[in-house]
Amino acid sequence: GDSVTQMEGPVTLSEEAFLTINCTYTATGYPSLFWYVQYPGEGLQLLLKATKADDKGSNKGFEATYRKETTSFHLEKGSVQVSDSAVYFCALSAEQAGTALIFGKGTTLSVSS
Amino acid sequence: DGGITQSPKYLFRKEGQNVTLSCEQNLNHDAMYWYRQDPGQGLRLIYYSQIVNDFQKGDIAEGYSVSREKKESFPLTVTSAQKNPTAFYLCASSTTEVWSNQPQHFGDGTRLSIL
Repeated sequence: GDSVTQMEGPVTLSEEAFLTINCTYTATGYPSLFWYVQYPGEGLQLLLKATKADDKGSNKGFEATYRKETTSFHLEKGSVQVSDSAVYFCALSAEQAGTALIFGKGTTLSVSS
Repeated sequence: DGGITQSPKYLFRKEGQNVTLSCEQNLNHDAMYWYRQDPGQGLRLIYYSQIVNDFQKGDIAEGYSVSREKKESFPLTVTSAQKNPTAFYLCASSTTEVWSNQPQHFGDGTRLSIL
């Protein structure tokens, strides 16, 4: 079945460092891909999305490109801030379950000043 | 502002007790979902509903029940049959326009613990 694999954390960076969180997927058909962010004690917020191959999603300095040839959707940010500390989830749309999403296990990012 | 409201924020369950988690949305979304989040395991789908009076089991439905009597509401009951209910529960909603691949909107969650 469809699945999402994220790099395991935690990821610990200093402020202004470059961030990459790897995400690869397995899916039949042509899923949409999403990155969500979760701050402590809160629900998930959509960070960015891409709906077809070669699309680049971007928001708040974060970017991810839908690579069909490598089945990847890696999250990047050129200069992280302390306020970016959170858990990041990669997800794909699961056609076999209507509009339900399949999530990766999440990657915890901790940024220190 | 439109959004999803989950209540309560914290909930405690005694042994053998059923508890119900509330989820209300005013986004006019047809689809609603319940996920369970455990540390290091991401989110797992419990139940989902694409229309009023209809719902389907997700990956971990055993020990849970839901109802969808109104478009705005999708309560989740954690029954005594769920032997390990301690977790963070998240409710979400979305449109059902698959071709537009709209994202899901999440509530702030309910943390359930065993007394």
